[in-house]
Amino acid sequence: QQQVKQSPQSLIVQKGGIPIINCAYENTAFDYFPWYQQFPGKGPALLIAIRPDVSEKKEGRFTISFNKSAKQFSLHIMDSQPGDSATYFCAASTGNQFYFGTGTSLTVIP
Amino acid sequence: EAQVTQNPRYLITVTGKKLTVTCSQNMNHEYMSWYRQDPGLGLRQIYYSMNVEVTDKGDVPEGYKVSRKEKRNFPLILESPSPNQTSLYFCASSPLAGSSYEQYFGPGTRLTVT
Repeated sequence: QQQVKQSPQSLIVQKGGIPIINCAYENTAFDYFPWYQQFPGKGPALLIAIRPDVSEKKEGRFTISFNKSAKQFSLHIMDSQPGDSATYFCAASTGNQFYFGTGTSLTVIP
Repeated sequence: EAQVTQNPRYLITVTGKKLTVTCSQNMNHEYMSWYRQDPGLGLRQIYYSMNVEVTDKGDVPEGYKVSRKEKRNFPLILESPSPNQTSLYFCASSPLAGSSYEQYFGPGTRLTVT
């Protein structure tokens, strides 16, 4: 059973658009929600992370929105660029155990 | 350069032939973990280690073993590999155990079991 459900599976946007990737979870014990970015042939790299006591976090062009009551969180990429084309994974953690979503392949068209 | 290294990067083997994938980090991190990545399933945690001689099962530990005899090394052992263990494997480390710390991932090991 997938502990973290991620959608959409793939996303194509024009340069400058704002892709949004959504994730949902059920386990209220999760206390850390990171997003990872992965380029082909590379390992995932941390992009941004949030804890459930915060509703929004921004780092540069990347924003996480967190809705604790709905048990949902999402990644917004402002002013997307072709260099943002990658696979994005959301994750949730209870401490030492991590559960990842199934990934979203993002393509930003110039 | 601070990094997580994995060896080998690519491996093709046959069913039942024991193999070890090595993982090493040079950042003095306490926490290390192994994941497998499969299309449509994302990354799934196999085992993790909070420190030397302290390991625990992740979400999909069946068919795998680990050991943590030194802080920098965390090898993944497949004692009798089967075709359903064909996957892309990642090792990761973070400074301390607990969920508030960034995990640094290695470059991956692509394993094929025939």
